[in-house]
Amino acid sequence: GEDVEQSLFLSVREGDSSVINCTYTDSSSTYLYWYKQEPGAGLQLLTYIFSNMDMKQDQRLTVLLNKKDKHLSLRIADTQTGDSAIYFCAETPGYSSASKIIFGSGTRLSIRP
Amino acid sequence: AAGVIQSPRHLIKEKRETATLKCYPIPRHDTVYWYQQGPGQDPQFLISFYEKMQSDKGSIPDRFSAQQFSDYHSELNMSSLELGDSALYFCASSSPATGNYGYTFGSGTRLTVV
Repeated sequence: GEDVEQSLFLSVREGDSSVINCTYTDSSSTYLYWYKQEPGAGLQLLTYIFSNMDMKQDQRLTVLLNKKDKHLSLRIADTQTGDSAIYFCAETPGYSSASKIIFGSGTRLSIRP
Repeated sequence: AAGVIQSPRHLIKEKRETATLKCYPIPRHDTVYWYQQGPGQDPQFLISFYEKMQSDKGSIPDRFSAQQFSDYHSELNMSSLELGDSALYFCASSSPATGNYGYTFGSGTRLTVV
């Protein structure tokens, strides 16, 4: 079935690294995403990874994918106050290029001074 | 760069009224998706269209209907509104040419039913 799970809250100190974890159930997922949503705002695509990749790095963001365990993580280096938001893990089940996105419940990241 | 445009940004309706939400995809994007996000919830897929035909259907109530027009814009029609329909409604667009990483979301329409 289609299910994406992630922890609801994460609190880190400014300047530290944040690691947000996610597990998914659909082994046929070909694309996995991280979206950021600030209060009252829309969904911003942060990064994505193909299922045949293990890692992707983009500036302060590092995505790790363990396909065997169906585990995805997002590491934000040098976390800043502007990183405070809800981070959604998401997948597109199946292989169709017109597949819907299934979102996790979102992890609320808060930054301590 | 052009983004996904949704209108209106905010909408207040009374119970049992109808509402129409509009979505204008990125130029040359032929696939449109609608999502509903309740307060404190994750976005839930409602329905999608590809080349003006419904391509997938999620948890969309029978009171809602949607279509994609010849210019690829889409409208979500909601009738007999209920208090529980209050939510943020997102539209996203993509094109098979850009692959599954080409989803772009609009800023959403916040619907409040009173």
